[in-house]
Amino acid sequence: KAGVTQTPRYLIKTRGQQVTLSCSPISGHRSVSWYQQTPGQGLQFLFEYFSETQRNKGNFPGRFSGRQFSNSRSEMNVSTLELGDSALYLCASIGEPGQETQYFGPGTRLLVL
Amino acid sequence: DQQVKQNSPSLSVQEGRISILNCDYTNSMFDYFLWYKKYPAEGPTFLISISSIKDKNEDGRFTVFLNKSAKHLSLHIVPSQPGDSAVYFCAARGYGGATNKLIFGTGTLLAVQP
Repeated sequence: KAGVTQTPRYLIKTRGQQVTLSCSPISGHRSVSWYQQTPGQGLQFLFEYFSETQRNKGNFPGRFSGRQFSNSRSEMNVSTLELGDSALYLCASIGEPGQETQYFGPGTRLLVL
Repeated sequence: DQQVKQNSPSLSVQEGRISILNCDYTNSMFDYFLWYKKYPAEGPTFLISISSIKDKNEDGRFTVFLNKSAKHLSLHIVPSQPGDSAVYFCAARGYGGATNKLIFGTGTLLAVQP
């Protein structure tokens, strides 16, 4: 099976812009979670989706949003980018809620100038 | 409030010896624990996991031990190999599987010296 894919892998934006990141989970997996990794805060949970529904949300401002499509692919959007949004954004794929193992994609490296 | 803690930012071990990475947690509602290995600018790679109803799980060179009374888990790598050099994160999942949210520790950088 192919692994989790994330696009794009690298992105440079300027403050005030918005960005959309994409994640395709492992075939057959229906749940997707998003995480942000920064040097100062480590890996922080953003949100999770199952069957196109957001099941849980982390402690991030409303500028961070996401959605999931009927084919389980997910997107996350960050509006009005700030310098502090520079991070590695990771997507994790899970078969069903409650299944234990989460498989991560390679991440999207976002740099905000 | 850091619910999952890895108090050792780094660890250096000789090739062939045992590496022991530690993790402490504060929330007794966590029901599942996972260890991930990570290289810079890449996604975490799943290594091994353990349910809160067990106290040990083994997979090849990797063994995870869980001490619920102490709220402590550890990852043992035997024998250590230079290719094991990476950052290791422990993560905890809570609340009986109703969510897949993982709470990660801050990571331990393992360096295995040839």
